[in-house]
Amino acid sequence: AQSVAQPEDQVNVAEGNPLTVKCTYSVSGNPYLFWYVQYPNRGLQFLLKYITGDNLVKGSYGFEAEFNKSQTSFHLKKPSALVSDSALYFCAPFTSGAGSYQLTFGKGTKLSVIP
Amino acid sequence: DGGITQSPKYLFRKEGQNVTLSCEQNLNHDAMYWYRQDPGQGLRLIYYSQIVNDFQKGDIAEGYSVSREKKESFPLTVTSAQKNPTAFYLCASSITGSSNQPQHFGDGTRLSIL
Repeated sequence: AQSVAQPEDQVNVAEGNPLTVKCTYSVSGNPYLFWYVQYPNRGLQFLLKYITGDNLVKGSYGFEAEFNKSQTSFHLKKPSALVSDSALYFCAPFTSGAGSYQLTFGKGTKLSVIP
Repeated sequence: DGGITQSPKYLFRKEGQNVTLSCEQNLNHDAMYWYRQDPGQGLRLIYYSQIVNDFQKGDIAEGYSVSREKKESFPLTVTSAQKNPTAFYLCASSITGSSNQPQHFGDGTRLSIL
């Protein structure tokens, strides 16, 4: 069975500092991996995805993520955090099998960027 | 602008009552999804539909029902059998269900019990 873990419920970082939001996964086969962001009382917005190829994926709003197959991790990063980056972040592997296709969402990590 | 519209934004349910949440998309996507979001639990899949007139149960389908009579519409009914319906409900769509394309989300409906 597939699973995803976001080990930190909350991450605090000072504005201008680099940020990392961690994600590890356990899925069969080669997963497609996604990061989404959610602002209060809103739906999720797509940030970036890893399908294949270069392990460093660049996405929206200056975010990037590093895929590490041996550690089964897909950590989200940004070189310089903004206050406006404060939101809830979700990691989600996409898996398929036996006619079923779905995203499995982590529990989310709340990012707070302190001015 | 293309997107997903969920209505209403807030909904209240009385005991024993069924309520229906609306989801409409004008993205011409084949696949649509319903998720439930509870604090600290992430999103859990209720139902999904890969094509018109077809849908499958997700991880937490009990107490819910859906229909997919039109490509652009995927309403969710929360029945009286769902004993703990208070949650934030999110609808999403993607080009197809079996692709690696991202899902697009509406802004949700918050359901509460009176």
